[in-house]
Amino acid sequence: AQSVTQPDIHITVSEGASLELRCNYSYGATPYLFWYVQSPGQGLQLLLKYFSGDTLVQGIKGFEAEFKRSQSSFNLRKPSVHWSDAAEYFCAVGAGTGGFKTIFGAGTRLFVKA
Amino acid sequence: DAGVTQSPTHLIKTRGQQVTLRCSPKSGHDTVSWYQQALGQGPQFIFQYYEEEERQRGNFPDRFSGHQFPNYSSELNVNALLLGDSALYLCASSVKGGLSGANVLTFGAGSRLTVL
Repeated sequence: AQSVTQPDIHITVSEGASLELRCNYSYGATPYLFWYVQSPGQGLQLLLKYFSGDTLVQGIKGFEAEFKRSQSSFNLRKPSVHWSDAAEYFCAVGAGTGGFKTIFGAGTRLFVKA
Repeated sequence: DAGVTQSPTHLIKTRGQQVTLRCSPKSGHDTVSWYQQALGQGPQFIFQYYEEEERQRGNFPDRFSGHQFPNYSSELNVNALLLGDSALYLCASSVKGGLSGANVLTFGAGSRLTVL
């Protein structure tokens, strides 16, 4: 069964600093990987996804993520964080035969300080 | 183009009662998935509906049931409510994938259920 681990419960970065959120997944085959963001009181919004091909994927709002099969990781990065990036970030893995379901990690809360 | 809409946005129930939550998928989407998000946790997969049938199910008891209608909208029903059922219930719609079978989810804002 697939699973997702986000080792950091919360992270604080200064505005303008770079950001990396960690994600490790467990799945026997090549997974479909996602990053979603959730602002307070809101649903989840897709930032980016990896299905195949180039292991470095670009998303919205200046985010990117790199798929590393050898490390079973899919870390999210942003070169310069803005105060509006403060939110909860969820890594997810999608897979399944005879059906497709998406499994989410516990999330990482990002705080941005001025 | 309306996205995923859920109703009600907030509701309060007491233990033992039953609740029905509703979801209208994004236009053009045919698959609906339901998630439970407890405070401070990630969304937990409840089940997925496609072609009016439950296709996938997570680790939730039979008290959780659902339905999908011919217009692709969906309902989530929870019977015999427990205090632990208090959570944000998220509906997500998608288009059933082609060769890859992959679904990219579009989420609604959720229904906040409080059980007293």
